Amino acid sequence: QQQVKQSPQSLIVQKGGISIINCAYENTAFDYFPWYQQFPGKGPALLIAIRPDVSEKKEGRFTISFNKSAKQFSLHIMDSQPGDSATYFCAATPNGGTSYGKLTFGQGTILTVHP
Amino acid sequence: ETGVTQSPTHLIKTRGQQVTLRCSSQSGHNTVSWYQQALGQGPQFIFQYYREEENGRGNFPPRFSGLQFPNYSSELNVNALELDDSALYLCASSFGEGFTGELFFGEGSRLTVL
Repeated sequence: QQQVKQSPQSLIVQKGGISIINCAYENTAFDYFPWYQQFPGKGPALLIAIRPDVSEKKEGRFTISFNKSAKQFSLHIMDSQPGDSATYFCAATPNGGTSYGKLTFGQGTILTVHP
Repeated sequence: ETGVTQSPTHLIKTRGQQVTLRCSSQSGHNTVSWYQQALGQGPQFIFQYYREEENGRGNFPPRFSGLQFPNYSSELNVNALELDDSALYLCASSFGEGFTGELFFGEGSRLTVL
């Protein structure tokens, strides 16, 4: 019940294309859903996050879509750039205070954007 | 404002040994969470320390232990090392009260157990 399942494992897109990564969860106590970006040799860094009171959140080229009834959420990267090549992790946690530090991560998606 | 720093960056141990990993939190942060990231996998939550007390633990055995000091720096100790303990160990800091949700990760300590 604690799992977050992420797909695909790897994704190759052309520069300017749209990258889509999907995640699904089971634990209905999850109430905060961040996406983290990790470059080789670096720690993960927060990209964008959503709470389930909205169905979509957009920040620049990055959009999270959230479907509470299906317990699914996805990351869309518009106009993908070679600099976006990295590993992306979805995550989830119950809302509030120190719970934010206790993330359950998906398995990760390696995104490669070809020039 | 300094970020999260971890030491050492790389280390090699043999089965059965003990290891201590260190983390210096971002300035002003009183909460630290430790994660284990096996190769090709997502990080797994080990435990969290808030104001020097353990504040939640993931599915890890008691040979994984930690400390948080008054200056909010932290240690992760692993006893009786096993081959499967080989991984990248990540420390993440945050401010527990009124937290906006963002964790700040260090670059990790890569542990190899032979």
